[in-house]
Amino acid sequence: GAVVSQHPSRVICKSGTSVKIECRSLDFQATTMFWYRQFPKQSLMLMATSNEGSKATYEQGVEKDKFLINHASLTLSTLTVTSAHPEDSSFYICSARAPRSGELFFGEGSRLTVL
Amino acid sequence: GEDVEQSLFLSVREGDSSVINCTYTDSSSTYLYWYKQEPGAGLQLLTYIFSNMDMKQDQRLTVLLNKKDKHLSLRIADTQTGDSAIYFCAESYSSASKIIFGSGTRLSIRP
Repeated sequence: GAVVSQHPSRVICKSGTSVKIECRSLDFQATTMFWYRQFPKQSLMLMATSNEGSKATYEQGVEKDKFLINHASLTLSTLTVTSAHPEDSSFYICSARAPRSGELFFGEGSRLTVL
Repeated sequence: GEDVEQSLFLSVREGDSSVINCTYTDSSSTYLYWYKQEPGAGLQLLTYIFSNMDMKQDQRLTVLLNKKDKHLSLRIADTQTGDSAIYFCAESYSSASKIIFGSGTRLSIRP
């Protein structure tokens, strides 16, 4: 079946540094990918919709300059957390939409810890 | 606005049925989903239902939809220890639009 891969699965960084998380669709080309952030009390918040070849669409309240999204190819979207702070520590999950079925496949998630 | 609500916790005895409930506010939602998240992992689509249906059954899973009350439920028959996970209810307007998730219900199984 279709697989979406995220890398890294865990990352620890110092406050003030930038961290890049990759999301790859391995079995299909995805024109649309989504980035979610999962808070400690389980809720999953949509951060942005990543569109191949165009700018990402950010949800209200999500800082575009803080969370940079690039969808340069049909199989890869990246989320860069710039100048990370401890409050950015979270579980980030991406998903990619299969073109024919429209089904959404999720990555395994990336746990970011900012010290 | 879009809002999906679930209770946070559910504990059931192994072998019993689990019923996880969800309410949503967007009446234009066309697709309603149930996702499962095991510890430290991403989300796995369990099942989905179209808004013009009121029930869908898939092996041990039964989804019931009350569109009038905007209430969705997931019943897991003969609950097993492997069913321990967080279950997310979600909705979207179309198969191509963004999906809005509930807060998730943590299902724990007791012997």
